[in-house]
Amino acid sequence: DTEVTQTPKHLVMGMTNKKSLKCEQHMGHRAMYWYKQKAKKPPELMFVYSYEKLSINESVPSRFSPECPNSSLLNLHLHALQPEDSALYLCASSQDRATSYTGELFFGEGSRLTVL
Amino acid sequence: DQQVKQNSPSLSVQEGRISILNCDYTNSMFDYFLWYKKYPAEGPTFLISISSIKDKNEDGRFTVFLNKSAKHLSLHIVPSQPGDSAVYFCAASTSGTYKYIFGTGTRLKVLA
Repeated sequence: DTEVTQTPKHLVMGMTNKKSLKCEQHMGHRAMYWYKQKAKKPPELMFVYSYEKLSINESVPSRFSPECPNSSLLNLHLHALQPEDSALYLCASSQDRATSYTGELFFGEGSRLTVL
Repeated sequence: DQQVKQNSPSLSVQEGRISILNCDYTNSMFDYFLWYKKYPAEGPTFLISISSIKDKNEDGRFTVFLNKSAKHLSLHIVPSQPGDSAVYFCAASTSGTYKYIFGTGTRLKVLA
């Protein structure tokens, strides 16, 4: 099973709403990632969790709040977003990079977010 | 500062011919490289990877070449098929870290 599952696939929210994006993987990976991708741009790293602890925060605004409830689940809580936050949000997982020389990133299909 | 660059935004190739996608990087600490294929509104799909201890890796129709001295890698697709039409991203990483840096992508169109 090499699948990363993201829900919802599409989300429309107003600037005052609170919503969450969810991600699940069952590959036994201990690292999970959130990336943001705008049209015609490469994916940009937002957060990395390693062994359920936040390992990297790429100076992401606090209106994005990640959470890793267990090794298989990753959430991204959204609050008071701006229209410019509209993008495709990608979840990914990989083997533990600290102990593995290699480690492909496996991506989910993404959650398309529109902020009105 | 774009550490990973794909200088060709687009490429058109005839079906059955070879597609060559190029990628350059600037950070000499990168030692692991990957290629991804992406369709619109979908997540990137892993294609093939190579570590810096090798200069070539093959998987079916896909071959990746790494030239460490030139800080350059390329993806060869032979033979190209219409279903290969997508955006291709290269990515680079340093072993032991969780940062994968992606290039800007090349849109490949394979003409039937």
